[in-house]
Formats: sequence, C-alpha cells, structure tokens
Amino acid sequence: NAGVTQTPKFQVLKTGQSMTLQCAQDMNHEYMSWYRQDPGMGLRLIHYSVGAGITDQGEVPNGYNVSRSTTEDFPLRLLSAAPSQTSVYFCASSYGTGRAETQYFGPGTRLLVL
Amino acid sequence: AQSVTQLGSHVSVSEGALVLLRCNYSSSVPPYLFWYVQYPNQGLQLLLKYTTGATLVKGINGFEAEFKKSETSFHLTKPSAHMSDAAEYFCAVSGTGANNLFFGTGTRLTVIP
Repeated sequence: NAGVTQTPKFQVLKTGQSMTLQCAQDMNHEYMSWYRQDPGMGLRLIHYSVGAGITDQGEVPNGYNVSRSTTEDFPLRLLSAAPSQTSVYFCASSYGTGRAETQYFGPGTRLLVL
Repeated sequence: AQSVTQLGSHVSVSEGALVLLRCNYSSSVPPYLFWYVQYPNQGLQLLLKYTTGATLVKGINGFEAEFKKSETSFHLTKPSAHMSDAAEYFCAVSGTGANNLFFGTGTRLTVIP
C-alpha cells in the first residue's frame, strides 16, 4: 500500500490564481480530511468527508472547496489564492468515522502564495 | 467545545534524560486523546491514543501517556531520550461528531548529545 499520497509536494502561486491539491489513499478508508499547518497554530481542519459524495466544513473552510466522487480521492481546490493561504496542507484518512479511529497522514503540500 | 493546550513550544533534554511533554484538554464529551509525532518535512505519525479502558497508554518508540480525568491532562513521557526522538509532537482531542481532530500548537523536542 502507498498509504496517503499528496501532489504536488511544493507549489508557488500568485494571488488570484486557482489550483487543486490532490490527495489519494489506497486503503479503502471511509473518512478523509484536509488540515492546514501554520507556525504556532498547530493543525486546523479545513474540510472532511465521511464517504463518497459526502463532505462537510471544518474549522477554517473559507476559500477552499472539496468534493469526493470516489472513495480513493479527495481533492482540495483553491478558487482564488490569497497570501493568507500560504501554509502546509496535510491530507489524512481513517478506516471508519468513529471518534476513536486513527488518522493516517500524507507527506504534505507546501504552498506559497505571493 | 474541544480544545488542547500544550505547555512549552520548545523543550530541550539531554540524551538519556526523562522526556515530559505536557498536554491539557477541554472536551464537552468523554475525550478520546491522541499524540502524534512529526519528523522534519514529513507527515504526522500516531504515537499513541487513549479511548477507553486503561488510563496508562503505551505507544511506539518507548513513549507512554497517562490520562488523568481530574487534571484534564494527557502528558507524554519517555524514560530515556534518544537523539532520534528530536521532532515536533502534537496532542489532539477528537471532536464530538465524526473523526475530526483538534490539535494543540505543538512542542518541538530537542535532544542534546
């Protein structure tokens, strides 16, 4: 198993550009999520999904869209990038949706918005 | 509301010394608590978790944590630090609904040879 994979590893955008961060898992996990990591703030939940076709907002959803058309993939879209979205983005997944489930994290995408 | 406070953004210990990383939580439901470790330029990896049952939880790499409800704490310890333990450590608590995590701000552990 490759686990949770994310592409690209690093991206530079200009303000106003759009892009999609890719996330895929090959573990048949039901739950998938996106977090952003900023210095001194830990990780904060952006969006999550409890199954194909089902998504919901986390703590910091503004400026981001998600969709989940398959179990394996959970892309994160930035429609109009802003410097405040400069961050490291992590995708995570877990087998079930229960509160005790262990989440498995991808290696991250480092995004710089100029 | 769910939240986690990690005291000390940076902790330095000598190789072979005790490691103690502090975590206090707030939860409106019985808490499920996690410690994750992040090595440089990598994703997060689970060290250990508390759900129900035994309050002393053992994890990977010799780490353990004790859930203390009366103190709302879940501190992480390791009897003897190794150079390979140098990393950032995050404490997290589960949300009230789906498997959403609320993370602390992290503690960077430095091990001095």
